[in-house]
Amino acid sequence: AQSVTQLGSHVSVSEGALVLLRCNYSSSVPPYLFWYVQYPNQGLQLLLKYTSAATLVKGINGFEAEFKKSETSFHLTKPSAHMSDAAEYFCAVSVRVSSGGSYIPTFGRGTSLIVHP
Amino acid sequence: NAGVTQTPKFRVLKTGQSMTLLCAQDMNHEYMYWYRQDPGMGLRLIHYSVGEGTTAKGEVPDGYNVSRLKKQNFLLGLESAAPSQTSVYFCASSLGQGYSYEQYFGPGTRLTVT
Repeated sequence: AQSVTQLGSHVSVSEGALVLLRCNYSSSVPPYLFWYVQYPNQGLQLLLKYTSAATLVKGINGFEAEFKKSETSFHLTKPSAHMSDAAEYFCAVSVRVSSGGSYIPTFGRGTSLIVHP
Repeated sequence: NAGVTQTPKFRVLKTGQSMTLLCAQDMNHEYMYWYRQDPGMGLRLIHYSVGEGTTAKGEVPDGYNVSRLKKQNFLLGLESAAPSQTSVYFCASSLGQGYSYEQYFGPGTRLTVT
């Protein structure tokens, strides 16, 4: 079973509009959750991570994500989109690869955020 | 700190040729990873290492080999390249595992196999 699922391969918003990128994880894995952003022709960089200290996690560039255990979700939001937010966004969850083994990050397929002027 | 660096940035290979991709990190991280990124597939783990001298298979290891002889370096080898290995390859490292430890990524290597 897929450990992490991102709904929507592309999301299109107008500048200034709310951004909502969806991520659901498998309930069989512990919630070691991350959001990464990838700008064109670059590597991934961390936006935010869930640490269990708070269900609402604030990240860089005005993004935040809310951990909802009952919905097994970790959706990413930003109140007002900016043109510079156009990028690929990846949700990731660390899963144990074998009994007693290490927790290794597994990535969703990504959501491309398109921002229209 | 340079962070995570990858060499080369671009490469074109003919089918059957071999090559090695080099990843280096200067953050004293224990964990290192190789991913490939293909359109619509996200990042898929090829191999990873939990420390110097150790390696393990990921989701898509076939056709690749790795070595971690030094803590700071993680090499990815293609012994006999195939067109299906055309992809963008990313190396990453992390200090540890679990929720506290995010990954740091290199800029990627774009490989084309003709």
